[in-house]
Amino acid sequence: GAGVSQSPSNKVTEKGKDVELRCDPISGHTALYWYRQSLGQGLEFLIYFQGNSAPDKSGLPSDRFSAERTGGSVSTLTIQRTQQEDSAVYLCASSLSSGQPDTQYFGPGTRLTVL
Amino acid sequence: GENVEQHPSTLSVQEGDSAVIKCTYSDSASNYFPWYKQELGKGPQLIIDIRSNVGEKKDQRIAVTLNKTAKHFSLHITETQPEDSAVYFCAASTSSNTGKLIFGQGTTLQVKP
Repeated sequence: GAGVSQSPSNKVTEKGKDVELRCDPISGHTALYWYRQSLGQGLEFLIYFQGNSAPDKSGLPSDRFSAERTGGSVSTLTIQRTQQEDSAVYLCASSLSSGQPDTQYFGPGTRLTVL
Repeated sequence: GENVEQHPSTLSVQEGDSAVIKCTYSDSASNYFPWYKQELGKGPQLIIDIRSNVGEKKDQRIAVTLNKTAKHFSLHITETQPEDSAVYFCAASTSSNTGKLIFGQGTTLQVKP
């Protein structure tokens, strides 16, 4: 079946501009996660959704970062006034539930470059 | 909070040899330990996982061992093949929180033909 999809696959923007990254989770998965992977680094947790609510936003690096999820499905991660240090690959993952840690399936990521 | 350390950062082996990657974690409440393989330009793909109620799990050429007392777990790949070349990440999670994964820094495995 269809896996997690993300768009765009690549995004180049200028410093100070806003960007929106989109994630389509696997159908029926209630849990959705955003992670960030900087060059040569491991994955850093950003935010977790259960349904449409975000009970854990502890990984968002600043108030320039926000995310929402609608209809318990698609999620968008918004970065306002982008900075060069925001350049990274942004990965989305979904899982069937989060009550018992469940397998997280990752999308291909969006590579963001801030010039 | 949870911290996961992974070693080595790079590993080069000859085709057919075994490869071992080790991780340690800090939170004794962690009870789920997945391993992901990431190929260039792709998202991480789960290759095997283990929960804290078991000590070892195998899937063909891949095995994972868990030592809860020492708080470390390891990935073992036997009879390595060139297509095993990739970056491997370990991670840890607890069921008392949101299921978020805390990742190690990754190991770049190169299998030489």
